[in-house]
Amino acid sequence: EVQLVESGGGLVQPGRSLRLSCAASGFTFGDYAVHWVRQAPGKGLEWVSTISWDSGRIDYADSVKGRFTTSRDNAKNSLFLQMNSLRPEDSALYFCAKDIWGYSGYDPHPFDYWGQGTLVTVSS
Amino acid sequence: DIQMTQSPSPLSASVGDRVTITCRASQSISSWLAWYQQKPGKAPKLLIYKASSLKSGVPSRFSGSGSGTEFTLTISSLQPDDFATYYCQQYSSYSRTFGQGTKVETK
Repeated sequence: EVQLVESGGGLVQPGRSLRLSCAASGFTFGDYAVHWVRQAPGKGLEWVSTISWDSGRIDYADSVKGRFTTSRDNAKNSLFLQMNSLRPEDSALYFCAKDIWGYSGYDPHPFDYWGQGTLVTVSS
Repeated sequence: DIQMTQSPSPLSASVGDRVTITCRASQSISSWLAWYQQKPGKAPKLLIYKASSLKSGVPSRFSGSGSGTEFTLTISSLQPDDFATYYCQQYSSYSRTFGQGTKVETK
């Protein structure tokens, strides 16, 4: 069974940093691109970042470019999101998700499995 | 970035109704469009990809159509389990943008 479990969320002051993790199981993690998507309370989905299966390509939304860094450890089946210079507008539930197809180059694909999310609140 | 605009929002319907949600892209995305369903407090669930391909296990009352800039998600006969928010997503570009969502609520 495919599982994605996010952790690392919490309350943080503006300007500070936070590191999210996503633990994957039930599939060959190293074969798939994985993603971060966030959802502010009561709002819609916002794509945040994608990292290819081999870390050869990493993309970011303009809203987080230069502040957030995505990485992965295929040996540990883990995805990470380092969030620096946090702003109140970064407050959201952060989901990790996996590509529907594995080992398919760098072409974008839809997301077929999602975790349940970890909540980040940026407030003084 | 490619902008995705959904309509209507919200959508009021009754069980048994045929429901259609529209998604428009700010530029052509060919057929690189997915539809997701999200219920409160839950993660989104992929329903349709490549505009019209039904994901395995998704009921056949869901269907998708369109290409270029205009797409539709249709529920042929709305069931109680279908009251939820639906999102389109383009994956034509590396910035994989979502529409703002359409909440299907009880009339």
